[in-house]
Amino acid sequence: DAMVIQNPRYQVTQFGKPVTLSCSQTLNHNVMYWYQQKSSQAPKLLFHYYDKDFNNEADTPDNFQSRRPNTSFCFLDIRSPGLGDAAMYLCATSRERTGGGLNEQFFGPGTRLTVL
Amino acid sequence: AQKITQTQPGMFVQEKEAVTLDCTYDTSDQSYGLFWYKQPSSGEMIFLIYQGSYDEQNATEGRYSLNFQKARKSANLVISASQLGDSAMYFCAMREGGPFQLNTNAGKSTFGDGTTLTVKP
Repeated sequence: DAMVIQNPRYQVTQFGKPVTLSCSQTLNHNVMYWYQQKSSQAPKLLFHYYDKDFNNEADTPDNFQSRRPNTSFCFLDIRSPGLGDAAMYLCATSRERTGGGLNEQFFGPGTRLTVL
Repeated sequence: AQKITQTQPGMFVQEKEAVTLDCTYDTSDQSYGLFWYKQPSSGEMIFLIYQGSYDEQNATEGRYSLNFQKARKSANLVISASQLGDSAMYFCAMREGGPFQLNTNAGKSTFGDGTTLTVKP
């Protein structure tokens, strides 16, 4: 089945130790998103890729970076995790057309990050 | 600017009964879409139902229906015949229409704060 896959599902890292979360998709969607979601809160968009074009949200800390080496894969790099970065990280995809449209986003199962 | 409001932090419903989850929105765009997602405790966000601003009929998907009142800017989710597996967090989201444009809000989803639904046996 076509899907959005996130690895690992659970990640534990130490304060200040770089960590990378991965997302892959078999949907061939041209847009990929990374959201941060803290407990009982709405997902917060960090950034997204429209094809190879990267769009960073204005309030996303520099500590968060992203890479999209090809259509299928997208990575979230946290350069120096702090305790406040402990959260669920959700990857999502959508298919967007240049003429516009309102397609739903397909989400992966998320990676729950713990910072010790 | 887009804004989504879900005023019910938590809701309880008896199994097999219907429940309505409230969502109001604010936008100056004429073209927009409203989405509902379900998030079980496992964390995955599951798309449930979509309503376009120009759709004249309320959307339905199985046990889910969307009570769309455009003049009131509300898009409430109705779940009929609740099941224990419906216990989850539910998010209302909105996307403005038009081309997906970098460095703008076009194409991005704004989520409400969610409603936790608990279905009682």
